[in-house]
Amino acid sequence: QKEVEQNSGPLSVPEGAIASLNCTYSDRGSQSFFWYRQYSGKSPELIMFIYSNGDKEDGRFTAQLNKASQYVSLLIRDSQPSDSATYLCAVRVGHDMRFGAGTRLTVKP
Amino acid sequence: KAGVTQTPRYLIKTRGQQVTLSCSPISGHRSVSWYQQTPGQGLQFLFEYFSETQRNKGNFPGRFSGRQFSNSRSEMNVSTLELGDSALYLCASSPGGGLDEKLFFGSGTQLSVL
Repeated sequence: QKEVEQNSGPLSVPEGAIASLNCTYSDRGSQSFFWYRQYSGKSPELIMFIYSNGDKEDGRFTAQLNKASQYVSLLIRDSQPSDSATYLCAVRVGHDMRFGAGTRLTVKP
Repeated sequence: KAGVTQTPRYLIKTRGQQVTLSCSPISGHRSVSWYQQTPGQGLQFLFEYFSETQRNKGNFPGRFSGRQFSNSRSEMNVSTLELGDSALYLCASSPGGGLDEKLFFGSGTQLSVL
């Protein structure tokens, strides 16, 4: 079992819709959780982080964490074509940051 | 504040050669991590350095090594290159490597092994 797993995608949504990205992790000792966005040919950039169970909202982005289910998700409301990218889920395990393989999202105009 | 700087941006080598990649972290950041990114495997953790000491290491062969200098700059070395080493190598820095710290990535070095 991989340490961090994401829904494989690719995921395609129409402009204005809600995009839902999911991630599960295997290490119950994981303490902090991150979502990175990576445009093609670019390096990952941080868009959200969450440490506690529940929801965290930042603009059109909402991160959700359920430690009992070892599940993290990212919702993107009112999706825009500029949101088209690969989204990486990352989990801190001790001093390491472990990444999922990523989910490619395409938002169609 | 300058971001994470990686050099060179692109590198072409042949099998059997060795290569050294460089990373300068954000000023004040003491932790530097290295990742290998390939289309099939995603981001794979190589190692992390903090205050010139390797604190963690991923599951890569001994051909992959690194070091960190007193100014927090880091280098990664790959010896006896193989075709499978072709990848984007990303360096990331954080202030102290705390359990809730975020990583900030450089632009990466694209290595092609022929």
